[in-house]
Amino acid sequence: AQTVTQSQPEMSVQEAETVTLSCTYDTSESDYYLFWYKQPPSRQMILVIRQEAYKQQNATENRFSVNFQKAAKSFSLKISDSQLGDAAMYFCAYRSAFGEYGNKLVFGAGTILRVKS
Amino acid sequence: EAGVVQSPRYKIIEKKQPVAFWCNPISGHNTLYWYRQNLGQGPELLIRYENEEAVDDSQLPKDRFSAERLKGVDSTLKIQPAELGDSAVYLCASSLRTGEQETQYFGPGTRLLVL
Repeated sequence: AQTVTQSQPEMSVQEAETVTLSCTYDTSESDYYLFWYKQPPSRQMILVIRQEAYKQQNATENRFSVNFQKAAKSFSLKISDSQLGDAAMYFCAYRSAFGEYGNKLVFGAGTILRVKS
Repeated sequence: EAGVVQSPRYKIIEKKQPVAFWCNPISGHNTLYWYRQNLGQGPELLIRYENEEAVDDSQLPKDRFSAERLKGVDSTLKIQPAELGDSAVYLCASSLRTGEQETQYFGPGTRLLVL
């Protein structure tokens, strides 16, 4: 079974600075999808960014970018120019591209991001 | 466009009581998910529906949990009887299958406290 590990329970960043959240995963599959979700205190989970494993190019969405290292099974999220509204719990998630697990999201335990003004 | 709607947002019950959660997915989304999120952890899938068919319920504790999606639109998740360990946030998500570009959209969740 696939597992997702987020080794940083909590991170802090100064407003306007850059922060990187770590994520590693374990899988024997070659094709899959990786996601970063943001969950603010209101608890509505919002998709931040997604990465297809077959794409070598790292995904980017405005201030959010990923560093996808397939061989190392690493998928980190970089937030540039951090804003107060970025404060939230961030979850890394994995989804298989195949078979009966094709739709199931496997989440890590999350990283709380605090933004200091 | 309205997002995924869940109710109630909060529920406090005593153990051994029944409880039900309701979810209305985004219009047109044929896939619906129920996740359970324990405190300090990521969500875990309980059940997935494709239209009205439950296609993955392997993680649903069937002795006390049940779910339905009768008309392939909104869904109800029930616990009977509730136990202390059921205290968690229950999240509903929906998606529109568009090949491999599927994105799951989450509702705000129902926070359950069992006393």
